Amino acid sequence: EADIYQTPRYLVIGTGKKITLECSQTMGHDKMYWYQQDPGMELHLIHYSYGVNSTEKGDLSSESTVSRIRTEHFPLTLESARPSHTSQYLCASKPQGANTEAFFGQGTRLTVV
Amino acid sequence: AQTVTQSQPEMSVQEAETVTLSCTYDTSESDYYLFWYKQPPSRQMILVIRQEAYKQQNATENRFSVNFQKAAKSFSLKISDSQLGDAAMYFCAYSPRQYSGGGADGLTFGKGTHLIIQP
Repeated sequence: EADIYQTPRYLVIGTGKKITLECSQTMGHDKMYWYQQDPGMELHLIHYSYGVNSTEKGDLSSESTVSRIRTEHFPLTLESARPSHTSQYLCASKPQGANTEAFFGQGTRLTVV
Repeated sequence: AQTVTQSQPEMSVQEAETVTLSCTYDTSESDYYLFWYKQPPSRQMILVIRQEAYKQQNATENRFSVNFQKAAKSFSLKISDSQLGDAAMYFCAYSPRQYSGGGADGLTFGKGTHLIIQP
């Protein structure tokens, strides 16, 4: 399995809480991504980063924010969680250069009640 | 923009039989990668097989093989001798070989096919 880790795996929180989903990789990859996976299993890119201090929004609008202070770490934050944020969040990474496959973390299943 | 279409939301196959999952894509690029990813229930998404568009030979990985038809923009996955552990969501994905434009270079995914293995 790839060396990319997400914590927590499962999270149930109340509306209005601030949460941070963690993603770390030990492969030295410059490129990192966050995908939101809806109940129908479709994947939507919500954030990406090509290196330290570089973050961009993806194709699907999201109220979450991300940061990239260290190469290996790409956390996602929700300032005030809502039930509409309930979803599976997948983190991925890949190396610089030719556009090869991405490596995925195990995902965080978030439920906001 | 690239699109990836998986027209089979769900497929079912008997254990030890062969099943083919379909995928079509649309792109104006001539050089790109195509992938099949597997996502078991509550488990990590992993790469099953990769095809480079400039290679005419179909990729093979043990029981998994692809039928890559570049002119038709078709990329199907064949699973031979299906096993219970093959049960999962399967995603077809596309990526240009070298990304030179603005915006994200993340993978473009299809909507997935849920594969059920009948014992």
